[in-house]
Parts: sequence; C-alpha cells; structure tokens
Amino acid sequence: AQKITQTQPGMFVQEKEAVTLDCTYDTSDPSYGLFWYKQPSSGEMIFLIYQGSYDQQNATEGRYSLNFQKARKSANLVISASQLGDSAMYFCAMRVQETSGSRLTFGEGTQLTVNP
Amino acid sequence: ETGVTQTPRHLVMGMTNKKSLKCEQHLGHNAMYWYKQSAKKPLELMFVYNFKEQTENNSVPSRFSPECPNSSHLFLHLHTLQPEDSALYLCASSHRLRRLAGEETQYFGPGTRLLVL
Repeated sequence: AQKITQTQPGMFVQEKEAVTLDCTYDTSDPSYGLFWYKQPSSGEMIFLIYQGSYDQQNATEGRYSLNFQKARKSANLVISASQLGDSAMYFCAMRVQETSGSRLTFGEGTQLTVNP
Repeated sequence: ETGVTQTPRHLVMGMTNKKSLKCEQHLGHNAMYWYKQSAKKPLELMFVYNFKEQTENNSVPSRFSPECPNSSHLFLHLHTLQPEDSALYLCASSHRLRRLAGEETQYFGPGTRLLVL
C-alpha cells in the first residue's frame, strides 16, 4: 500500500524567509510521481511542482523546489523568499501506476502561516 | 473559461433533497476524478473516469451517483445524503499518457462546499 506522511500540522515563517515542508512516502513500486499542491482558504487545489521517481535532478518551479532524497523516501518542499500570499494548506501527494490506472494518494497537509 | 470549473460553489441541502454537482474541464484531458475532503482528513478519492468509462469506485455509498457524458463533463448526483456527507467536493482532471504514471498531473477545480442539514 502507498502512504504519504506529513508530520508538520502547522508551520510559521517570517516574510521573505525560506521554509521547508516535510513529506515522506512509502511505496514498493519503482515508478511513481510526487506532487505538491497548495490549497488556500478558498478551497482550490493548486498544482505547484512535480518530481518523477526516475528524475536525476531535484525539481524547481520559481520559488518552489523539491528536495528529493530517494533513499530516505522523502520529498520536502522548499519555498524561498516567503510571501504573505503563501499562507495556505500544503499537500504532498504520490501517484503510482496500477492495473486500473494510476491513483493519487494525499498526505494530511501542513498549514503554513507567513507572518509580516 | 479555462482550467477546471465546478458549480455550484456552495450548496446547502436537506437529507431528502436531490441535487447534482457539475464539473467541466477545458484542458483537453481524458480522465476525470471526484474527491471528498472532510475537515481534518486527507483527500479521499471517490470515482475515476478514463475516456468516459468509470474505472474506479472507491467504496462510495450509492447515495452518490457519478455521471460522465463526455470527456469534458463530470457530474455527481446526490440523493438522501447524511449530515456526515458535508464536505468539500473537488473535481480534477488529467491526461492519461499511458506511459509513466507519475507524469499525469491532476488539475483541480475550486470545489463545491456542501452542507447537509
């Protein structure tokens, strides 16, 4: 079975500082994908960044980077130069391939608050 | 309109009502999904449609009935719901590449906040 663990229910960061949101995963499938989504209070899940299990380099998208450590099964999200608009719930998710298709499994999320 | 849209954004219904949630994607995707997000719980996958065919029903009670008339539209028909069904219902879509599963990014709509009284 696949599992995503986010151990930080809440995180606080000062504006303009960097913050790391933790994510560990568990799967026996050699082919998988890791995703991070942001969910503001409005409810929409916004795709941020993707890392494939075979990717050699860590993914980056603007201020977002994914610290992928395959041997430790961790995929932490790093947000640089935090902004007030970054305050939201952040979800780590994993996709693995199954015979019926592929399934996305989500963690419980981390509530990030950026302080001015 | 672009991306994934959902209507209505908010819905209040009694336990004897019948209502429908609508999702529409404008991304040219061929797979669509319904998720339920309850307070203090991870997202729960409810249904998956690939090329208009339902490929997954994640043990969802029959009071939830999905419909996918084409690859751009997805409905969730609701009847005789319970108060514990109150949640945020999210629709998502993706493009099935039939290759490495990890490359299928799901894009979500804004959700429907449902309150069952």
